[in-house]
Amino acid sequence: GQNIDQPTEMTATEGAIVQINCTYQTSGFNGLFWYQQHAGEAPTFLSYNVLDGLEEKGRFSSFLSRSKGYSYLLLKELQMKDSASYLCAVMDSNYQLIWGAGTKLIIKP
Amino acid sequence: SAVISQKPSRDICQRGTSLTIQCQVDSQVTMMFWYRQQPGQSLTLIATANQGSEATYESGFVIDKFPISRPNLTFSTLTVSNMSPEDSSIYLCSGGGEYEQYFGPGTRLTVT
Repeated sequence: GQNIDQPTEMTATEGAIVQINCTYQTSGFNGLFWYQQHAGEAPTFLSYNVLDGLEEKGRFSSFLSRSKGYSYLLLKELQMKDSASYLCAVMDSNYQLIWGAGTKLIIKP
Repeated sequence: SAVISQKPSRDICQRGTSLTIQCQVDSQVTMMFWYRQQPGQSLTLIATANQGSEATYESGFVIDKFPISRPNLTFSTLTVSNMSPEDSSIYLCSGGGEYEQYFGPGTRLTVT
């Protein structure tokens, strides 16, 4: 079967760094996505990785290892507005997104 | 990027009625999808909206209950038919290509 695992909840301090991990087992792989979703709002696109390595985009970076079926999202210089759910999704061989359950990130002052 | 709008943003409907949700993209997109999201849970894919042909439904979702249209590359509709309280949820459409998917703001449906 297809499976995406990520932690249910994480807590971090304003100004710090946090890493949200995602492991996956899917039928085929056409890229891994990270989305941010604030409560009551639609998900917003953060990053896309299809090759191994680190993609940096401002305070957010995303890493992929296809051989390990592993990705992480790294958030630096955390701000209170970063409190949200972070969703990991893998695009399978049919170009459909398989979604993780999401990681609720709580930022404390 | 693509900007996606949905109508209505929310509705309260009676059991046994139907509601059609519209999804409009500001540019042509290859793929469009319909999702359902229960509060505090992740997204569940309902179906892939195929342009000019029948939608492709995921396990547990059928065309009679969730008919979908996609007449062109920028527009799609999802109908929730013969509604029951269990259909109360947020319905999201997404659109994009192979390397990105953007979401509409969602339609919050409450069935009484």
